[in-house]
Amino acid sequence: DVVLTQSPLSLPVTLGQPASISCRSSQSLVHINGNTYFIWFQQRPGQSPRRLFYRVSNRDSGVPDRFSGSGSGTDFTLKISRVEAEDVGVYYCMQTTHWPPTFGQGTKVEIK
Amino acid sequence: EVQLVESGGGLVQPGGSLKLSCAASGFTFSGSAMHWVRQASGKGLEWVGQVRDKPNNYATAYAASVNGRFTVSRDDSKNTAYLQMNSLKSEDTAVYYCTPWGGDFIDAFNIWGQGTMVTVSS
Repeated sequence: DVVLTQSPLSLPVTLGQPASISCRSSQSLVHINGNTYFIWFQQRPGQSPRRLFYRVSNRDSGVPDRFSGSGSGTDFTLKISRVEAEDVGVYYCMQTTHWPPTFGQGTKVEIK
Repeated sequence: EVQLVESGGGLVQPGGSLKLSCAASGFTFSGSAMHWVRQASGKGLEWVGQVRDKPNNYATAYAASVNGRFTVSRDDSKNTAYLQMNSLKSEDTAVYYCTPWGGDFIDAFNIWGQGTMVTVSS
């Protein structure tokens, strides 16, 4: 199975400051069809997961533009340009290029 | 409005069985594969299994941790997916979510229900 390794696992941030989460894959996530099926989720406390980005950088409806997704191959990054209080929660990466689908361990974002 | 409502969770003894349901509305249920994902308390997300749509012969697939014990199925006439869980173990204790892939949606897992809690304990 593809292993996704997120870092850091805990990310204390100051309101208004930027934040960045890395997700590295044990193998390339480029599908034979040329697409990269890589997803970022946000899970706020007590809530279900919410998809933020699909295919690396395609922002889902309603996701603020302070969030951005980037990367290719085996290295991917989620950035928040200016952290707001509502951004507190756990962020997961996921791949669906290879079977079975796998998730990263999660990165907990909290306010300092 | 697109909605997924999971139900059927509860307390069950080790070795017991439980059947979860996922009622869908607001989208073309028959056109999507339906997946189950679980999350133990304070832990990460784990893919459990899937049932594909009719054109794909309702094919199923499972995580190694549940293969042979869990069965995913669907009833398109009721817009409902199911997760039959047998031979339950304490490590199956988790919130179980259903989520669609494909069909009306781009790629996977952009819609989630509220989840249903399963506790396996004596």
